[in-house]
Amino acid sequence: KNQVEQSPQSLIILEGKNCTLQCNYTVSPFSNLRWYKQDTGRGPVSLTIMTFSENTKSNGRYTATLDADTKQSSLHITASQLSDSASYICVVSGGLYGNKLVFGAGTILRVKS
Amino acid sequence: DTEVTQTPKHLVMGMTNKKSLKCEQHMGHRAMYWYKQKAKKPPELMFVYSYEKLSINESVPSRFSPECPNSSLLNLHLHALQPEDSALYLCASSQGGRGTKHYEQYFGPGTRLTVT
Repeated sequence: KNQVEQSPQSLIILEGKNCTLQCNYTVSPFSNLRWYKQDTGRGPVSLTIMTFSENTKSNGRYTATLDADTKQSSLHITASQLSDSASYICVVSGGLYGNKLVFGAGTILRVKS
Repeated sequence: DTEVTQTPKHLVMGMTNKKSLKCEQHMGHRAMYWYKQKAKKPPELMFVYSYEKLSINESVPSRFSPECPNSSLLNLHLHALQPEDSALYLCASSQGGRGTKHYEQYFGPGTRLTVT
C-alpha cells in the first residue's frame, strides 16, 4: 500500500534553533518527493522537489535530503524564524508518469520567541 | 505569473443552496485539480482535469460537480451539501504532459467552505 509517514506529528522550538522533520514512504514506483509548507487556512507552497537521483536540495534556510534506498527524506530548517510556524507536508509522487500524489499527514511546527 | 487564484476566500452556504467555487491560473498549465482538506489532515484529491477533460474522479458524491470551461479556469459547482462537507477546498495546477517537472503542482490559497 502506498503510504507516506511523517514524524514528529508536532514540534515546538525556540526562534533561532534548527530542527529536522522526517518522512518515510512506501510509494512505488517512485517518481519524486516534495516538501510543502502550509500556513493555516492557506494553500501549500512548494519548498523543494527531488527526483530519485538527487540526494539533497536547498531552498534558503530549508534543506531537504532523500535516501531512495531506505525510502527516507528529511527537511532541515536552519535558524528558525517565527514565520516558519506552519504545517510541513511531505508528498511523494508515484505511478508510471509521476501523477499519483500520496500526501503525508504533515508535521505542525511552532516556533516560539 | 506563477499564481493560482481562488474565489471566494470564504463561503457560508445552507444545505439547500447552490454555489460555485472558482479557480484560475495563467501559467499555461494544462492540468488542474480540486482537493478537499479537513482541519489537521492532508489534502484529499477530488478531481483532475487534463487538457480540459475530466481524467480522474475520486468517487466524489454528485453534489460536487466540476467544470473546466477553458484551460485557465476550473469551477466546482456545489448543490445540496451536507455539514460534513465543510472544509478548505484547494485548487492546484500543473504543466501537464509526461515527466517529473510536468507534475509540479502549484496550489491556490483555498476557499474556506462552511455548510450550515
